[in-house]
Amino acid sequence: QQQVKQSPQSLIVQKGGISIINCAYENTAFDYFPWYQQFPGKGPALLIAIRPDVSEKKEGRFTISFNKSAKQFSLHIMDSQPGDSATYFCAASKSNTGNQFYFGTGTSLTVIP
Amino acid sequence: DGGITQSPKYLFRKEGQNVTLSCEQNLNHDAMYWYRQDPGQGLRLIYYSQIVNDFQKGDIAEGYSVSREKKESFPLTVTSAQKNPTAFYLCASSIGPGPQHFGDGTRLSIL
Repeated sequence: QQQVKQSPQSLIVQKGGISIINCAYENTAFDYFPWYQQFPGKGPALLIAIRPDVSEKKEGRFTISFNKSAKQFSLHIMDSQPGDSATYFCAASKSNTGNQFYFGTGTSLTVIP
Repeated sequence: DGGITQSPKYLFRKEGQNVTLSCEQNLNHDAMYWYRQDPGQGLRLIYYSQIVNDFQKGDIAEGYSVSREKKESFPLTVTSAQKNPTAFYLCASSIGPGPQHFGDGTRLSIL
């Protein structure tokens, strides 16, 4: 079964708007939650990551919000730009079990100029 | 520049044929991984290796085989037993627990 559930499947946002992508997980043993950005024909690249001891992490226009009690985390892209158009994947892992990552199904983001 | 190199970028397989996808890294990472990516299904783990000469099956290992004879190399063989091999294959590496770094993938198609 899908260990990490991601939504929405696709998202269209106007330039300058806020893009929000959500993920939920069940396994409370997960202790590392990265977000990856993937452009067509390329491999995913690490965007930002969080551990469950903090509720928010910000890097430039990208913010992860983490809700441990709800077992949910989300990616917020502020001031979205056309260059942000890509597929975004959330993931979760347990660092003490071989670093196996469980990926969400991806969100295709399109930012309209 | 350090990174992960996957080759070839495109590969075609005939019925009944085994094909091998190459993955090389010069990041000095101990752990390496192979994923399969299909539209709408995210990334699914095929095999992973934490050290040389050792590897474990992931969620979808059937029809695939790997070897890890050198730290920097982790080739994946798609055997004829894999009946639906058409996909985008991604190799990754990491230093123990932590972020995984990906190559740019190999797209495998059936002739």
